Amino acid sequence: EAQVTQNPRYLITVTGKKLTVTCSQNMNHEYMSWYRQDPGLGLRQIYYSMNVEVTDKGDVPEGYKVSRKEKRNFPLILESPSPNQTSLYFCASSRSYPGDAGGSPLHFGNGTRLTVT
Amino acid sequence: RKEVEQDPGPFNVPEGATVAFNCTYSNSASQSFFWYRQDCRKEPKLLMSVYSSGNEDGRFTAQLNRASQYISLLIRDSKLSDSATYLCVVTINTDKLIFGTGTRLQVFP
Repeated sequence: EAQVTQNPRYLITVTGKKLTVTCSQNMNHEYMSWYRQDPGLGLRQIYYSMNVEVTDKGDVPEGYKVSRKEKRNFPLILESPSPNQTSLYFCASSRSYPGDAGGSPLHFGNGTRLTVT
Repeated sequence: RKEVEQDPGPFNVPEGATVAFNCTYSNSASQSFFWYRQDCRKEPKLLMSVYSSGNEDGRFTAQLNRASQYISLLIRDSKLSDSATYLCVVTINTDKLIFGTGTRLQVFP
């Protein structure tokens, strides 16, 4: 089954304790992206990647890191989480660049609800 | 001005009603447009792409007005299961997507 898999689904942690949220897709998609969703603010892009070893900052990259060593995986790393990173996080992938003529829709993972105390 | 704006709603409509949402965007160079549906903090799912000539998928019709820089979504014969938040998505450049904050629809019996 074609899917984007995120883990964990729920995570409660303390300030400063490094964590990684994993994201894997089995559709051979080139484009992958991380978003956070907060009430009233909608989905905001953290980082994205257009291919292996190519990553770029989105709108809210501060406090996050990513890597794209393999096409299928795109982990999100919080080196020193803080309470303002409490949010719902989504990983997404698409076949090609979303802005291509005709557009390539995003496939989302189930989300990770992170609480930082 | 926000890059993508939507009326947050909620739109409360009875079953069988026709309801329409608009979404305005500020960047005239925007290339691709989508409507996504999101249920109760679950992951967004693609509802439909929006093509220049307008397109229909069953009870759903999407239209693009480049001159006025908005897209619309029309839902006919609303069902209880249509209750959700509808997200407007616009691409800017080849790699950047901007999400609207969504319009909430509640269909009641």
